[in-house]
Amino acid sequence: AQSVTQLGSHVSVSEGALVLLRCNYSSSVPPYLFWYVQYPNQGLQLLLKYTTGATLVKGINGFEAEFKKSETSFHLTKPSAHMSDAAEYFCAVSGPWAGNMLTFGGGTRLMVKP
Amino acid sequence: GAVVSQHPSRVICKSGTSVKIECRSLDFQATTMFWYRQFPKQSLMLMATSNEGSKATYEQGVEKDKFLINHASLTLSTLTVTSAHPEDSSFYICSARNIRTGGKSYEQYFGPGTRLTVT
Repeated sequence: AQSVTQLGSHVSVSEGALVLLRCNYSSSVPPYLFWYVQYPNQGLQLLLKYTTGATLVKGINGFEAEFKKSETSFHLTKPSAHMSDAAEYFCAVSGPWAGNMLTFGGGTRLMVKP
Repeated sequence: GAVVSQHPSRVICKSGTSVKIECRSLDFQATTMFWYRQFPKQSLMLMATSNEGSKATYEQGVEKDKFLINHASLTLSTLTVTSAHPEDSSFYICSARNIRTGGKSYEQYFGPGTRLTVT
């Protein structure tokens, strides 16, 4: 079975500060990893994904994440937060062994202070 | 490309009535569609998986007679909440996957969601 843990249901940063959203997964085999963003009353938008290859993945809106197998982590970062980054962020895992079904973490609400 | 729409975006219905939510893939053929439910300030919970032309597979704890899913074409899946009750009020999100024509099996494209309120 696979699972995802997002540490911190709420993260608050100042505009211009570093954004770090944490995600740890459990999986017996190398997984596919995803970060999605959700704005209020909207669906999910894919920020980035890791499937194979380079472990540092760059996504949209200046976000990036690094797959660290030894730490079973896939933390999301952005060097400088914008007010428009305020949203809910979900980490998810899937893999061929599970029919590529997505398992989501609990989500982290990012608040950006002016 | 890979756009998924949902209709309606919001719906209010009375307790005991049924409501249908549509999920459409606008520019690709969706061999598989997923239906998720999201309660306020919570994560997405998978309700069911539907493959075109076959019966949906429901997750444990989801009543298939209450949440009827039809995936009759490669671009349309519907979720019907039958005899809705206030506890069915939630945000319902669909996603679609295409493994034909080169689509990656791990890629899911999400609709914008439907807010259901049962009074």
